[in-house]
Amino acid sequence: EDQVTQSPEALRLQEGESSSLNCSYTVSGLRGLFWYRQDPGKGPEFLFTLYSAGEEKEKERLKATLTKKESFLHITAPKPEDSATYLCAVQAVGLDNFNKFYFGSGTKLNVKP
Amino acid sequence: EAGVTQFPSHSVIEKGQTVTLRCDPISGHDNLYWYRRVMGKEIKFLLHFVKESKQDESGMPNNRFLAERTGGTYSTLKVQPAELEDSGVYFCASSLRTSGSRDTQYFGPGTRLTVL
Repeated sequence: EDQVTQSPEALRLQEGESSSLNCSYTVSGLRGLFWYRQDPGKGPEFLFTLYSAGEEKEKERLKATLTKKESFLHITAPKPEDSATYLCAVQAVGLDNFNKFYFGSGTKLNVKP
Repeated sequence: EAGVTQFPSHSVIEKGQTVTLRCDPISGHDNLYWYRRVMGKEIKFLLHFVKESKQDESGMPNNRFLAERTGGTYSTLKVQPAELEDSGVYFCASSLRTSGSRDTQYFGPGTRLTVL
């Protein structure tokens, strides 16, 4: 069964304290892995797409990496404005070769000044 | 460029009533998706349109839910009659590419539905 698991559920960091969020997945026919940021009351905001093991993407203080079983979102020297829920989604081959998305339950990050 | 928009942002209805949610995708996006997040759970797929056709509706919970996309532009999701367990946040997403290719979905702000 296709599944996406994120850990930890919640993470509290001090400003400047680097850490990593994990997304492990089991899907057949992986097409891509996506990271989204979600602020309260808003929809998921696209951050990164990773397509193959070994691939890395960076944006400001965020860096996403991918292996065959999991992805990490590394946050370097976070700031309070990085506080949000970070969602991982896996794109797999669905019906008639169309894409299907499976989401993890998210990691709620709180960065304290 | 305007993003995905959804209306209303919040809806509070009583059990047994009908509610219709609307989604306007990014202009030019043929793919439109509906998702739902219930309290404490992950976002789950409901339905996928390619233009006006339903490509995959395997996530629709039951026949109280009806989605349409007339003319391949905006989409509506009607719940009739609403039950308590239908409460949650309904997200719409759209994407440009079609089958067999890599594809990024862009999400709307969601509609928070509360059934009392």
